[in-house]
Amino acid sequence: DIQMTQSPSSLSASMGDRVTITCRASQSITNYLNWYQQKPGKAPKILIYAASSLQSGVPSRFSGSGSGTDFTLTISSLQPEDFATYYCQQSYSTPITFGQGTRLEIK
Amino acid sequence: EVQLVESGGGLVQPGGSLRLSCAASGFTFSYYWMSWVRQAPGKGLEWVANIKQDGSEKYYVDSVEGRFTISRDNAKNSLYLQMSSLRADDTAVYYCARALRAGIWGAARSFEYWGQGTLVTVSS
Repeated sequence: DIQMTQSPSSLSASMGDRVTITCRASQSITNYLNWYQQKPGKAPKILIYAASSLQSGVPSRFSGSGSGTDFTLTISSLQPEDFATYYCQQSYSTPITFGQGTRLEIK
Repeated sequence: EVQLVESGGGLVQPGGSLRLSCAASGFTFSYYWMSWVRQAPGKGLEWVANIKQDGSEKYYVDSVEGRFTISRDNAKNSLYLQMSSLRADDTAVYYCARALRAGIWGAARSFEYWGQGTLVTVSS
C-alpha cells in the first residue's frame, strides 16, 4: 500500500498569510495526487486534482505542485473561509489512501 | 446539480449487519466509478470500497474485505454498501462519492462529489 504523509499535522496562521502544506508518498505516484478541504461537520471538497490542476470553482489562491513522491498545496493569501482541515490523496493505485490531514487554524 | 444522498446508518451491535444506500441525481450515474469513504469520529478519511460503472470490478480496503460488499443499480441510480460482522472500529460517518470526470489522470480513484454522510455506530 502507498503511505501518504502530510506535514505539518497542524498549522496556525493569520489572515493574508501564505501557507504551504507538504505531502509525501511512500513511492512514486507521478502526478496522481489530489487535495481536499474539509470543514467541521461537512463533506470534503476537492481543490486540486492531478497534482496541479485547479478544480472548477476553486479560488485561484489555491495551487498545487510536485510530482513523483513530493507534493505541496499552497494558499497564497489566507481568507477566513480557508481555516479547515486539508487532506492529500493518491489516485495512483488501489487501495486509495489519504494523508492524515493538516488542520489549519487561526493564529 | 449533482446530488448524493446517503441513508441507512444507525446504531448496530457488534457482529451485526447494516445496508447503506446512496441515491444519486443530477448526472448520468452509469458513466462513473463510485466509492464509499468513511471517517471515524475525530479521525481522518479512509477509502472503503469502489465499483466500476457496470459493476464488473470492485475493490476494498483490507480491513473490510470479506465483510463488506459494494454494489450498484444503474436503473435506480443507486449505490449500496452491505456491511456485516460489524466491529467497533467500523464506527464512522460513511460518505458516498462520485469519481472525477473521465479523461483526468486517476479519475476513477478520485472524488469530485460527496454526499453529506450517514453515521454508523457499532456498540453494545
